[in-house]
Amino acid sequence: QVQLVQSGAEVKKPGASVKVSCKASGYTFTSYFMHWVRQAPGQGLEWMGILNPSGGSTTYAQKFQGRVTMTRDTSTSTVYMELSSLRSEDTAVYYCARDLSITVAGIRDYYYGMDVWGQGTTVTVSS
Amino acid sequence: EIVLTQSPATLSLSPGERATLSCRASQSVSSYLAWYQQKPGQAPRLLIYDASNRATGIPARFSGSGSGTDFTLTISSLEPEDFAVYYCQQRSNWPSFTFGPGTKVDIK
Repeated sequence: QVQLVQSGAEVKKPGASVKVSCKASGYTFTSYFMHWVRQAPGQGLEWMGILNPSGGSTTYAQKFQGRVTMTRDTSTSTVYMELSSLRSEDTAVYYCARDLSITVAGIRDYYYGMDVWGQGTTVTVSS
Repeated sequence: EIVLTQSPATLSLSPGERATLSCRASQSVSSYLAWYQQKPGQAPRLLIYDASNRATGIPARFSGSGSGTDFTLTISSLEPEDFAVYYCQQRSNWPSFTFGPGTKVDIK
């Protein structure tokens, strides 16, 4: 079955970096873009960026540009999200989520939504 | 940046009742709107994409409608497992996939 399994919880000090992994299985890893979304405690969802596992290209939300790096390892079907210069406001659950693409008349279109989600990784930033 | 507003913030209903959730965009997003359900301690689940298309495996009691700036998610008859938080999300304003603040559907 299609599955995204994320790495375990992290506790970091302000100013440090964190790297979260997301291992995909049950589908062709390079055929689907991957989003990263975070959720602060008791808050809503915030989109961070998207990675194309095929070529490695990325697009980041403006808020995170300069602090976030998304990468992938095709040999292990794993994507990574690294966030640097952590501050207390980065305390959140971080999710990877597969992009839903639709093929119509032989043409594939993207960004319809996020149809498969990882279980989430809690990142706590505290001194 | 396109801002999504959801109303009401909380909807208190009983099982079997009809739920109507609203999502309004600050400018037109055409039909590029999705809905998600999130239960406590769980990841979100995609319900609807492109305003009115049910995602794979989503029961028929969930339906979406709207275009432009005004959208509605309807749950025709609430089941016990439907009590959750619902988010809308737009994909019109690339590269930004903004979410609304959510509507909590709780048991009356």
